Amino acid sequence: DAEITQSPRHKITETGRQVTLACHQTWNHNNMFWYRQDLGHGLRLIHYSYGVQDTNKGEVSDGYSVSRSNTEDLPLTLESAASSQTSVYFCASSEMQDSNTGELFFGEGSRLTVL
Amino acid sequence: GQNIDQPTEMTATEGAIVQINCTYQTSGFNGLFWYQQHAGEAPTFLSYNVLDGLEEKGRFSSFLSRSKGYSYLLLKELQMKDSASYLCAVIDSNYQLIWGAGTKLIIKP
Repeated sequence: DAEITQSPRHKITETGRQVTLACHQTWNHNNMFWYRQDLGHGLRLIHYSYGVQDTNKGEVSDGYSVSRSNTEDLPLTLESAASSQTSVYFCASSEMQDSNTGELFFGEGSRLTVL
Repeated sequence: GQNIDQPTEMTATEGAIVQINCTYQTSGFNGLFWYQQHAGEAPTFLSYNVLDGLEEKGRFSSFLSRSKGYSYLLLKELQMKDSASYLCAVIDSNYQLIWGAGTKLIIKP
């Protein structure tokens, strides 16, 4: 069965370190997204991609970067982790072409703690 | 600004019916989603409404009124496994998804 997987599921790091969260999907979807979820907030979009070599900033992109070198993967990098980036991160994909209107398929989430 | 309002928490009894409301003020409208999220898990798709009216899917139904900026999710014959957070999300005029903070539903025996 097709799926979307994230790794690591849990990560503790120190302020200032670089961290990369991996996201791999086998749906063959063009669209991939990274969200963060914090208590009291809705899901907030960090970055998204509508295809290989395409990346776009979301509403909370500062301090994060992504790259899309193939259809299956969209790694999220925190260049210099900050305590404010402690959160649960969800990767998602959808099949709707160049749009956010399609049903999203989410990974299981990565819980990141920055000390 | 853009805003989606949902109650923070609701409690209901097993076997009963519960309605979770969602009101939105967004720049344009191109559809509304409901997702279910169990604690510690990923959100999963429940429903999508783009036209006014009621969409029924088993024990779950979703209603939309575009003129009122309002939707609700109706859950019938509640089961303990329905204890979860329910997320409302609206697609705005730029085809961006705007998410509500979610409603935590607690089911009591």
